[in-house]
Amino acid sequence: AQTVTQSQPEMSVQEAETVTLSCTYDTSENNYYLFWYKQPPSRQMILVIRQEAYKQQNATENRFSVNFQKAAKSFSLKISDSQLGDTAMYFCAFMSLIPNNAGNMLTFGGGTRLMVKP
Amino acid sequence: ETGVTQSPTHLIKTRGQQVTLRCSSQSGHNTVSWYQQALGQGPQFIFQYYREEENGRGNFPPRFSGLQFPNYSSELNVNALELDDSALYLCASSLDASRGNEQFFGPGTRLTVL
Repeated sequence: AQTVTQSQPEMSVQEAETVTLSCTYDTSENNYYLFWYKQPPSRQMILVIRQEAYKQQNATENRFSVNFQKAAKSFSLKISDSQLGDTAMYFCAFMSLIPNNAGNMLTFGGGTRLMVKP
Repeated sequence: ETGVTQSPTHLIKTRGQQVTLRCSSQSGHNTVSWYQQALGQGPQFIFQYYREEENGRGNFPPRFSGLQFPNYSSELNVNALELDDSALYLCASSLDASRGNEQFFGPGTRLTVL
């Protein structure tokens, strides 16, 4: 079974600064997807960024980018030019590509609470 | 395009009761997944439905059951409620059951079991 670990329960950053959220995972699979989801205080989970494990190039989406280190099983999220609206819980998630009896389930980490300060 | 909606927003039940939570998928999506998110934790996968059939299940007991209807709306039923069932229940719809498809989440139903 896969596990996802987020070692930073809480982080804070000044507005306009850069912050990096850490995520490590454990799997014996070679091909899979990794995701970062954002859950603002309003609770609706929103996809921030997605990385396919077979792609060496790190994914980027505007101010959000990842550092994917497959050998180290590390998948960190960098938020540049932090904005007040980035304040939220951030969850790292894993999805297997191997057919099993769990559909295309997401396995989530415990989350990191990010506070952006003005 | 209508997003994923869930009802009710909040619910309070007592131990031993039964509860039904509802989810309306995003337009055009035929796959729905349900997750349980305990306070301060990440969501945990309960099960997934694809075209009205259960397509996968996590480590939850049989008293957690579901249905998906022809219009792809969905229900989560929990029987014999326990205190530990208190959580935020999230549903997420996706275009189909293909792996890697983005899952679009609803706002959740907060269930409190007393």
